[in-house]
Amino acid sequence: AQSVTQPDIHITVSEGASLELRCNYSYGATPYLFWYVQSPGQGLQLLLKYFSGDTLVQGIKGFEAEFKRSQSSFNLRKPSVHWSDAAEYFCALTGANNLFFGTGTRLTVIP
Amino acid sequence: EADIYQTPRYLVIGTGKKITLECSQTMGHDKMYWYQQDPGMELHLIHYSYGVNSTEKGDLSSESTVSRIRTEHFPLTLESARPSHTSQYLCASSDLDSQRFGPGTRLTVT
Repeated sequence: AQSVTQPDIHITVSEGASLELRCNYSYGATPYLFWYVQSPGQGLQLLLKYFSGDTLVQGIKGFEAEFKRSQSSFNLRKPSVHWSDAAEYFCALTGANNLFFGTGTRLTVIP
Repeated sequence: EADIYQTPRYLVIGTGKKITLECSQTMGHDKMYWYQQDPGMELHLIHYSYGVNSTEKGDLSSESTVSRIRTEHFPLTLESARPSHTSQYLCASSDLDSQRFGPGTRLTVT
């Protein structure tokens, strides 16, 4: 069965610091993986996606993610966090009919 | 501009009322989805549709129903709202790969 695990419920970083959000998955084949961001009271916005090819994918807002098959991971990174990055981040995996989401990581950015 | 819309954004309603949450998309996508999201929790699929007159239940059991009479429209209905239905409901549509989400409807049943 497919599943997505985001081990960190809440992360706090200082503005300008680097960021890494962890995502581990379980899937029987090569997965399609996504990172979405959700601001309070809003829907989800796609940050980036991985289907195949280059394992380092670039997304919007300066985010990138690296697919590591050996570790079943798809961690999201940003070299320098901005206060506007404070939000909830969801990792997701494509299943047969829909997306399977992790429980999310809430990012707080302190000045 | 091609987008996906949900109305209302916020709804507070009493127990026993019938409600319909609207979802429309202007991208011509065949696939549409409804997710339920409780505060601080992940999204769970409750309904999906692969095209007109096609609807299926998702992974999370829900007392709501959906219809797909037009490609662009995928409304969700609760015949008799209960406090347990209080949640955020997110609609999405997709083309071949990624899903695009609407802004959501936050429903509170008192």
